[in-house]
Amino acid sequence: GAGVSQSPSNKVTEKGKDVELRCDPISGHTALYWYRQSLGQGLEFLIYFQGNSAPDKSGLPSDRFSAERTGGSVSTLTIQRTQQEDSAVYLCASRAGPKSYEQYFGPGTRLTVT
Amino acid sequence: KQEVTQIPAALSVPEGENLVLNCSFTDSAIYNLQWFRQDPGKGLTSLLLIQSSQREQTSGRLNASLDKSSGRSTLYIAASQPGDSATYLCAVITGANSKLTFGKGITLSVRP
Repeated sequence: GAGVSQSPSNKVTEKGKDVELRCDPISGHTALYWYRQSLGQGLEFLIYFQGNSAPDKSGLPSDRFSAERTGGSVSTLTIQRTQQEDSAVYLCASRAGPKSYEQYFGPGTRLTVT
Repeated sequence: KQEVTQIPAALSVPEGENLVLNCSFTDSAIYNLQWFRQDPGKGLTSLLLIQSSQREQTSGRLNASLDKSSGRSTLYIAASQPGDSATYLCAVITGANSKLTFGKGITLSVRP
C-alpha cells in the first residue's frame, strides 16, 4: 500500500497476557519508529529502527516491551504480561532515509488491557 | 531533556477567524520541527516540516514559523473552517536518530 499500515486496529486483552502489534512501513523506508499515545502522557517515543537494527531503545518503559524488525520492513512490538497501564494507542512511523526528515504515521493500534 | 509545550490545550473559534497556535521547546538544538494534525481515533497527518535552517513554511491556508533562538514555533491558520477542527501537535526532531518529541497538542474547534 501507499502508506504505513498497522494491525490490528483494536486489541482487547486480559491483564497478564502477551500481545503482538504489527507495523508495515512505506516500501523502501529504512527508518521505523514506535510511539505510544496515552491519556495524560501524550505521545512518547518507544524505539527506533534503522534497517533491522535498533540503535535507540531508550523509550521502552520496561523489559516487558520488545520489538524486532525483519527484512528491513515489517516490525513487531511485543508486550509481555500486559498491565492496565499499557492501555494506549501504539503508533508506528517510517522515514525514507538519512537525508529525509519527515515521518509518516500509521493509523495506530488501540490496546485495551482489562 | 527536551520538553515541548503547547498552550492552551483547547481552543474554540468561530468560522472564518484567522488563528495562531503556539509551540515552545526548551532545547534550541533541534534539527527540524514538524506540525501534525490528528482527527479523533485516527493517526497523525503531517502538515508542515520546517528545517532548522528555515524560518517558515507554507501550505495552502497554513503557515508555520520557527524561531530556534527563542525556542518557539507558531502555526497560522487563515480563514478557519469547521473542517479544521482537530488536534494539532507540534514535535521537534533532535539527535541523529531523528526521533520526535511531542507537545500534548491543542484541540481546535471551529464553530459554524
